[in-house]
Amino acid sequence: DQQVKQNSPSLSVQEGRISILNCDYTNSMFDYFLWYKKYPAEGPTFLISISSIKDKNEDGRFTVFLNKSAKHLSLHIVPSQPGDSAVYFCAASGAGSYQLTFGKGTKLSVIP
Amino acid sequence: ETGVTQSPTHLIKTRGQQVTLRCSSQSGHNTVSWYQQALGQGPQFIFQYYREEENGRGNFPPRFSGLQFPNYSSELNVNALELDDSALYLCASRTGFTDTQYFGPGTRLTVL
Repeated sequence: DQQVKQNSPSLSVQEGRISILNCDYTNSMFDYFLWYKKYPAEGPTFLISISSIKDKNEDGRFTVFLNKSAKHLSLHIVPSQPGDSAVYFCAASGAGSYQLTFGKGTKLSVIP
Repeated sequence: ETGVTQSPTHLIKTRGQQVTLRCSSQSGHNTVSWYQQALGQGPQFIFQYYREEENGRGNFPPRFSGLQFPNYSSELNVNALELDDSALYLCASRTGFTDTQYFGPGTRLTVL
């Protein structure tokens, strides 16, 4: 039973355009959500997070939106750059357990 | 500030053997977690250590065990290796007051 789902295995976007990566979750006990970026042969790098008491968090080119009623979050990257090409993982934690539950990832390719 | 480091980078073992992987936490972080990432999957939580004690465990058998030392560094031990144990093993650290975990580059384990 996959509690965090990233239904798009891959996404291609033109440089300068917006990239939107989506994530759905099923466990209503999750109250903290994170996005990580991973390059080949490296560990995941923390990008941005959001608490369930918020519906939006911004950090530079990255914005995360949380829709609790739909159990859905998304990561927006504007403008997309070739260096953003990587695998993006959505992760969630909650109920006092700091264990992270990850999705399978979405491979983003930004085309110059 | 030093990040999370892991050793070795790569390791090849045969079925039935035992392996020890090592992790040094990011400076100031007192909690360490271990994750297994199989090919094409997101990282899966193995267990977490805080103040040298295991305080959370995922769905992994007892042949996966760990240690945390007074300097917050950590080891992951896997006994009786199986072919399915082939994966990238990630260590992540955090302080006790945040959900955000910071990952090391991982150890790639191949079991033949």
